[in-house]
Amino acid sequence: VIWMTQSPSLLSASTGDRVTISCRMSQGISSYLAWYQQKPGKAPELLIYAASTLQSGVPSRFSGSGSGTDFTLTISCLQSEDFATYYCQQYYSFPRTFGQGTKVEIK
Amino acid sequence: QVQLVQSGAEVKKPGSSVKVSCKASGGTFSSYTISWVRQAPGQGLEWMGRIIPILGIANYAQKFQGRVTITADKSTSTAYMELSSLRSEDTAVYYCARDSSPAPGAIDYWGQGTLVTVSS
Repeated sequence: VIWMTQSPSLLSASTGDRVTISCRMSQGISSYLAWYQQKPGKAPELLIYAASTLQSGVPSRFSGSGSGTDFTLTISCLQSEDFATYYCQQYYSFPRTFGQGTKVEIK
Repeated sequence: QVQLVQSGAEVKKPGSSVKVSCKASGGTFSSYTISWVRQAPGQGLEWMGRIIPILGIANYAQKFQGRVTITADKSTSTAYMELSSLRSEDTAVYYCARDSSPAPGAIDYWGQGTLVTVSS
């Protein structure tokens, strides 16, 4: 099982801020990493796959980077609709595993 | 546009089983990979397993091995997840989801979720 450490678990920020979320793997996964956004009471939505490829329709203020064991999700200019919980997920091996989540809240 | 529509909320007794359905529309069902992911109240996401309908092959997370069965009916474009020997810790929202075509393993479409409550 590949374990994932996502940090921070809670991030307080203001509209317009640049925020970064980290995801570290217990072993290398090449670029087989996805990022999701989830709002309360809703299913997650795919933001990024293959570590850095933006899903169709996702605003360009979202970006992903990294490979191997260390990955980052960056939101360049936080908008009101971005306050949500974010998860990373590896799909390099079974079982697929998710990070613990990062809640981005209004400061 | 792909849509995944799940069956409604369930309340089950400990020790019983639950079967959740997921009907797909749009795209070609047989070529999908359908995963099941659950989320306990206030908790994170947990992958349970997946099925490739065209092959009828399912993979399960070790944690659920022996308790979960994922099946697919190509004739109705419907996937099913059955979880047995339910306990209170299985109370969660259960999602079906489709793997992304350019990135199999990443999930690009999700069902609306089915709340399963296990309570005596």
